[in-house]
Amino acid sequence: DIRMTQSPASLSASLGETVNIECLASEDIYSDLAWYQQKPGKSPQLLIYNANSLQNGVPSRFSGSGSGTQYSLKINSLQSEDVATYFCQQYNNYPWTFGGGTKLELK
Amino acid sequence: QVTLKESGPGILQPSQTLSLTCTFSGFSLSTYGMGVGWIRQPSGKGLEWLANIWWDDDKYYNPSLKNRLTISKDTSNNQAFLKITNVDTADTATYYCARIDTMGITSWFAYWGQGTLVTVSS
Repeated sequence: DIRMTQSPASLSASLGETVNIECLASEDIYSDLAWYQQKPGKSPQLLIYNANSLQNGVPSRFSGSGSGTQYSLKINSLQSEDVATYFCQQYNNYPWTFGGGTKLELK
Repeated sequence: QVTLKESGPGILQPSQTLSLTCTFSGFSLSTYGMGVGWIRQPSGKGLEWLANIWWDDDKYYNPSLKNRLTISKDTSNNQAFLKITNVDTADTATYYCARIDTMGITSWFAYWGQGTLVTVSS
């Protein structure tokens, strides 16, 4: 199985700040990576697919990058509605696997 | 508009079989490239992929659950199903179904249902 390691596990940032979340795959996943946002009590919502493609309707302050085994999610100009847990997921090989999540809070 | 909604028993006893239904609208599972997956999340924990079913009835399972999983679909009624046999307390979780979007040979969970909480308790 491909192991997905996210860092940090939790993060506290101020409004307007830029935030970066990292995801490391245990082997090359060839950009077959998605990022999801899960707000408290809600289901996950797709933000990014294929490592850097923004899902329709997602604010442009969200962006994804990376290749090979290293990927990142960047949030520019943090807003209060961005408080959530973020998960990465690889779909290059079965079984599809998720990172452990990054909980983002406001400072 | 794409919507998915999960339904299940709410609570069941150890060793029983869990039956889940995903009722969706806004797409058809008979459309080329379309798929539906099941994912679960114990309270306060991470996400675990369980199974996918595709428009052509191809199926993939998480081997960590060995032979306990069965995924199926009813294309006419826009439903997908998941059965988990011999449940125990470790299967207590919120269960989600999600539509899989495909581009070329890559696929991802594009739309998620609201989830259904399943508790296994004696």
